[in-house]
This record gives sequence, structure tokens and C-alpha cells, in this order.
Amino acid sequence: GESVGLHLPTLSVQEGDNSIINCAYSNSASDYFIWYKQESGKGPQFIIDIRSNMDKRQGQRVTVLLNKTVKHLSLQIAATQPGDSAVYFCATGGTGGSYIPTFGRGTSLIVHP
Amino acid sequence: EAEVAQSPRYKITEKSQAVAFWCDPISGHATLYWYRQILGQGPELLVQFQDESVVDDSQLPKDRFSAERLKGVDSTLKIQPAELGDSAMYLCASSRGRSYEQYFGPGTRLTVT
Repeated sequence: GESVGLHLPTLSVQEGDNSIINCAYSNSASDYFIWYKQESGKGPQFIIDIRSNMDKRQGQRVTVLLNKTVKHLSLQIAATQPGDSAVYFCATGGTGGSYIPTFGRGTSLIVHP
Repeated sequence: EAEVAQSPRYKITEKSQAVAFWCDPISGHATLYWYRQILGQGPELLVQFQDESVVDDSQLPKDRFSAERLKGVDSTLKIQPAELGDSAMYLCASSRGRSYEQYFGPGTRLTVT
């Protein structure tokens, strides 16, 4: 079956540093790759997605990189702030246009002031 | 900013009892999702609605779970009878159409004793 996993369960960074959260996926047929952020006590929040025909996409302070050759996805957060502390989930997009994400386990990002 | 509303936020029930969760999506969002999230894992889809119709309930344990969205607006998820293994966070999300940019509510934390 399909698996979506994060490389590290916890990532600690200093405020102002850049953060890189990595993810590996198994289903090469996935059309979309998505990142969500979940703060404590809240539901997930959509951050950014990228289609399988792209290798880079930028948002506000975030960049997602997709390497289909090695089935690897990363989320880069520039100038990390304490408000970025949360669990980050990568997810793969359902094939066939179902728009149901398959979530991985998540990486906890801890930002130290 | 409009948000997805869920109630109750917390529910403790004994096994074999019935329990119900309510969700009010963002106004104008035609697509509504119910997810279950076990602690430390990513959410998993239970059911997806497009307006009042069920689009995907393939992962819904239909012997004990039911969901409805009668008027295509708010939705109720019911479990009867509850089992110990149902203890989890139940998340509701909505989107304008079928999209990965889903807006999640705060969830209902269910504990079955």
C-alpha cells in the first residue's frame, strides 16, 4: 500500500534560521503533493501544494521542492518564527482527481527564541 | 475570517453508547469532509460530501458510523455503539469544490471508556 513518511519526528531550530522538513513517498502515480501545518489544539491548515509536473513552488516564506526521481518532497521555511512551531504533515494527492490527501505521520517543528 | 465550527470540542462516553458530532462548514463551501485523527498520526478520511450527496464513504465503518448532510450545509457524524478503539480526534473540513485547500475545524476529541 501507499506510504507517506517524514524523515524526522522532531526538528528543533533557532528563531530566524531556515527550516527544512523532509518527506518521502511511495506512490509514483500521485498527482499532487501537499503540506499542512497543525498547531496544538487545532485542525490542520493548508500551506501549499505542488503538482507532479513541477519541481519547485514558492509561497509566502515557504518553498516546496519535489524530486520525483527519488520520491522526495521538502518544505523550506525561511526566517522561522515562534509561530511556525507546529506539526507539519506532508500528504500525497489522491490519483484520479479524488482530492483526498493521504497524510503521513508528521514532523514536530520546535522554534526556540 | 470564516471558520469551520465543530461541537462539542470534547466528548467522553462509555463504550456501547451513542455519540454524535456536529459540523458547520464555511458558508458557500460545497464540499465537506469528516476525518479521524489518531494521536501522533495524520488524519484519515471517513466520508466526503458534495452538497448533500456522499461522494466517498469507502473508509467509513458503516456498521456503526453514519453521516448525513441533509440540506447540504451542516453535517452530523454519529457512532453507535461506540467502541474503545473509536477514541480519537474527529475533524471536519470544507472546501469550495474538490480541493486540497481544505479548511479544518478545531475537531472533537472523543474518549471512549
